[in-house]
Amino acid sequence: GAVVSQHPSWVICKSGTSVKIECRSLDFQATTMFWYRQFPKQSLMLMATSNEGSKATYEQGVEKDKFLINHASLTLSTLTVTSAHPEDSSFYICSAISRLAGDYEQYFGPGTRLTVT
Amino acid sequence: EDQVTQSPEALRLQEGESSSLNCSYTVSGLRGLFWYRQDPGKGPEFLFTLYSAGEEKEKERLKATLTKKESFLHITAPKPEDSATYLCAVGESGGYQKVTFGTGTKLQVIP
Repeated sequence: GAVVSQHPSWVICKSGTSVKIECRSLDFQATTMFWYRQFPKQSLMLMATSNEGSKATYEQGVEKDKFLINHASLTLSTLTVTSAHPEDSSFYICSAISRLAGDYEQYFGPGTRLTVT
Repeated sequence: EDQVTQSPEALRLQEGESSSLNCSYTVSGLRGLFWYRQDPGKGPEFLFTLYSAGEEKEKERLKATLTKKESFLHITAPKPEDSATYLCAVGESGGYQKVTFGTGTKLQVIP
């Protein structure tokens, strides 16, 4: 149980283009999903919190117009990196919290490696 | 602001050599302390949640304990497959579900 998938697992794009990453909870309904980015040998940095049916809450320093987050259903959230630049190259990971009462654990997807050339 | 500090940054053990990883935290009110395992190029894998001081949880060779200021992840007789980065995270009480992660301890178990 509590499986989260991400697609694609890796993507290479040219500078100036946009890339969409999908995060799905496969066997549970996720009221809340989180998006993180991770640089090599560093820990996870929270980018935004996504609640189904409402606007995402972005962490300080994260450009909401550049990193568009949509949480259209209880099983799907998407992160779109708009006008990507090489400095956006990173490992993006999503996580989801189950709707079950008292369940606070975040279950993570396998991550998406983005390379912007 | 919540703070999470993990030590050591890296740990190299011989197979069978037991040890402990430390996670020190500062939070105004603890909702939960979480341990994850992360393999290279993959997302973190959930291990444990601890909610209150004195609580302990075990899973195979791993045992997590919690005090008011820190948590330990004890690894008993580790095997090479236990090699990974172990992440600690804390959640603050108040209904908001985000957590703060530490920088992790990279564990290498040598056969």
